[in-house]
Amino acid sequence: KQEVTQIPAALSVPEGENLVLNCSFTDSAIYNLQWFRQDPGKGLTSLLLIQSSQREQTSGRLNASLDKSSGRSTLYIAASQPGDSATYLCAVRTGANNLFFGTGTRLTVIP
Amino acid sequence: NAGVTQTPKFQVLKTGQSMTLQCAQDMNHEYMSWYRQDPGMGLRLIHYSVGAGITDQGEVPNGYNVSRSTTEDFPLRLLSAAPSQTSVYFCASSPGAGGQTGELFFGEGSRLTVL
Repeated sequence: KQEVTQIPAALSVPEGENLVLNCSFTDSAIYNLQWFRQDPGKGLTSLLLIQSSQREQTSGRLNASLDKSSGRSTLYIAASQPGDSATYLCAVRTGANNLFFGTGTRLTVIP
Repeated sequence: NAGVTQTPKFQVLKTGQSMTLQCAQDMNHEYMSWYRQDPGMGLRLIHYSVGAGITDQGEVPNGYNVSRSTTEDFPLRLLSAAPSQTSVYFCASSPGAGGQTGELFFGEGSRLTVL
């Protein structure tokens, strides 16, 4: 069974800092990997989707990379802002009924 | 843009009661799914559907029932609620017939407490 791990579970950084969130997975046979943001008491908001044939995707201050062979993905956030504070989840899809989520990294950006 | 809409947002049930969580999407997505989110366990797939009239089980289907009579709606039924079903439930949809490659869009969640 695919295992998805996100370390650290929590991270605090001062405003303006660039930061990297990590996601690792055990089985490289994936269709895609998706990064989400979840605010307290809310649903998941899709940030970036990387197909298995892609190496990275960018949206504004966010850049996500994918290295299937090593089972790793990183989410890079540039010039962090207090509004970036949330829990970030990665999910790996291996089929229609196989989407595996990490337990998330809770990010706090301190003004 | 409504996206994925879930109702109710909050519900309290007594053990043994039944209820239905509603999910509707207006993006004409073929793939729809239900997840539950529990502290320390991440999101787990309950049931999914790759199109109207087609449903299948996910990782944790016991105690739940689904049907997909239209492309837009995918209700989740709790047959006889148990305290172990206390959780936050999320409905999600994705374009594409098989759901393998499409971006997943989530509703705001339904918080269920079973006493």
